[in-house]
Amino acid sequence: GENVEQHPSTLSVQEGDSAVIKCTYSDSASNYFPWYKQELGKRPQLIIDIRSNVGEKKDQRIAVTLNKTAKHFSLHITETQPEDSAVYFCAARVGASGTYKYIFGTGTRLKVLA
Amino acid sequence: KAGVTQTPRYLIKTRGQQVTLSCSPISGHRSVSWYQQTPGQGLQFLFEYFSETQRNKGNFPGRFSGRQFSNSRSEMNVSTLELGDSALYLCASSFGSVGPGGGYTFGSGTRLTVV
Repeated sequence: GENVEQHPSTLSVQEGDSAVIKCTYSDSASNYFPWYKQELGKRPQLIIDIRSNVGEKKDQRIAVTLNKTAKHFSLHITETQPEDSAVYFCAARVGASGTYKYIFGTGTRLKVLA
Repeated sequence: KAGVTQTPRYLIKTRGQQVTLSCSPISGHRSVSWYQQTPGQGLQFLFEYFSETQRNKGNFPGRFSGRQFSNSRSEMNVSTLELGDSALYLCASSFGSVGPGGGYTFGSGTRLTVV
């Protein structure tokens, strides 16, 4: 079935350190993987995404890597700052053209300690 | 431009009652998807509406239903509420099919508490 596993569920890092969140998906046909950040009491917002024909994508302090063979993708945040504290969700797009939907992971609560 | 608007923001209902939640998408967006967010379960897909038709459906019981109007506004209805239905219900709109360049814009959600 369609499933996305996300680890860890909580992650605490010291300010300035790196944080890594990992996801595994089950549908080998998935070809698009967005990451959403949800701050406390706010709506989820897209922060970065990657297509299946790319192995890595960077945007300033954030990067995402994809291993299609292993069906793994990861979010990397470098030089973490207190404002990075939030819940992060990975997602995999499943379905056929015209009927796509996202399957989300269960979320990772990141705490950046000052 | 205005974002995705969900009403009401908070709702308290009694077990057995029914509830209707509303979502107004970004102007021009024709797809509205609904998600249930609970601690530990993340965001679980309920259904998607596109041009007034349900285009996709998740694994929720028939008590959960929805519809979309000609102006793309969508409503979600839950009948015979159970305590386990307590959650944050998020809707997300997109122009068409989600993917690169056409991702979701989420609303702020409706927090439903069933007592």
